[in-house]
Amino acid sequence: EVQLVQSGAEVKKPGESLKISCKGSGYSFTSYWIGWVRQMPGKGLEWMGIIYPGDSDTRYSPSFQGQVTISADKSISTAYLQWSSLKASDTAMYYCARRGPHPGYYFDYWGQGTLVTVSS
Amino acid sequence: QSALTQPRSVSGSPGQSVTISCTGTSSDVGGYNYVSWYQQHPGKAPKLMIYDVSKRPSGVPDRFSGSKSGNTASLTISGLQAEDEADYYCCSYAGSYSWVFGGGTKLTVL
Repeated sequence: EVQLVQSGAEVKKPGESLKISCKGSGYSFTSYWIGWVRQMPGKGLEWMGIIYPGDSDTRYSPSFQGQVTISADKSISTAYLQWSSLKASDTAMYYCARRGPHPGYYFDYWGQGTLVTVSS
Repeated sequence: QSALTQPRSVSGSPGQSVTISCTGTSSDVGGYNYVSWYQQHPGKAPKLMIYDVSKRPSGVPDRFSGSKSGNTASLTISGLQAEDEADYYCCSYAGSYSWVFGGGTKLTVL
């Protein structure tokens, strides 16, 4: 069974750093792209970026380029989303999602989400 | 990349059909047959309902169907059921390993 399990909720202060995770299981982690999606409170889904764990090829939405870093550790089947200096506007639910089988231009499995709250 | 345009809300009675539109540009919806649709219940993760414009993943009822004409894609739900009440998001591939979502549509089953 394909599963993406994300790390737990985080409460941080502005200016702090954060790295959240997404662990894949039940499939070949290195063979599927993993995307990250933001959902701000009461708002819609926003595509942030995507990584291919096999070679760490990473692409970002222009809206998020330079604001976050996406990475992966294929040895432990885990993708990451990190911030170096959080802002209150980073408060949101963050989802990881697996891109479908090649040539798949959709996201077939989703993590349960990680709620990030940034408040002083 | 601007978000795809969806109606903020639609509604229908049980058994009826509803259609949710998703309008983009020739750079996304109109340029690729790679539109997908996701259902999101409150407090839950999105769930894939339609991919490649009109394909249904295994387990998704055939009451859900998708289509596209020009720069506008559509999701039709026939035989509405109470459990279909949720938010629905379209998503399109936009080239160069990028994707764009719609703003979301709240479906109310009356």
